[in-house]
Amino acid sequence: GAGVSQSPSNKVTEKGKDVELRCDPISGHTALYWYRQSLGQGLEFLIYFQGNSAPDKSGLPSDRFSAERTGGSVSTLTIQRTQQEDSAVYLCASSWLAGGRGNEQFFGPGTRLTVL
Amino acid sequence: DAKTTQPPSMDCAEGRAANLPCNHSTISGNEYVYWYRQIHSQGPQYIIHGLKNNETNEMASLIITEDRKSSTLILPHATLRDTAVYYCIVGRKIYNQGGKLIFGQGTELSVKP
Repeated sequence: GAGVSQSPSNKVTEKGKDVELRCDPISGHTALYWYRQSLGQGLEFLIYFQGNSAPDKSGLPSDRFSAERTGGSVSTLTIQRTQQEDSAVYLCASSWLAGGRGNEQFFGPGTRLTVL
Repeated sequence: DAKTTQPPSMDCAEGRAANLPCNHSTISGNEYVYWYRQIHSQGPQYIIHGLKNNETNEMASLIITEDRKSSTLILPHATLRDTAVYYCIVGRKIYNQGGKLIFGQGTELSVKP
């Protein structure tokens, strides 16, 4: 079946511009996560959605970052007034149940964001 | 959440078993051990998880010490395609408690012909 998809695969933007990154999770998965991976850095948790519960935003690095999940499916991560330090690969993952099935998260291929 | 310690890199000969260690001395009773790997330019991939019993699936085996302070991921017959960064993560497995994964630096495994 289809896995997690993300778009665009690559995004180049100028400092100060806003960007939107999209994630299509696996159909039926109730939990959705965003992570990012900067060059030479490990994977960093950003935000987590589970069903109709309030999202866990504890990993968002600043108020320039926001995310929404519409209809319990597709999610959009928005970065306002991008900075060069926002350059990274942004990864989306989904799972069947939060904490269920051994927390087996299925990751998408990521969006590589470059801020000039 | 408990933290983990892994060697930064390891080499393994193709066809041999790869044994990747992980220390998690502060693990608590309700925390599981998860292993993921990330092949270059791809998203992470789930491998296996366990609580206290040894586990085996089609990809790997997970050996957890009796005191649960360390574990070893075993790839029984490593291939060149197993070259990747392997992450050992501990976390809770409780529904609706949040499933975020806290990744460390992992072990970069190089499988050599």
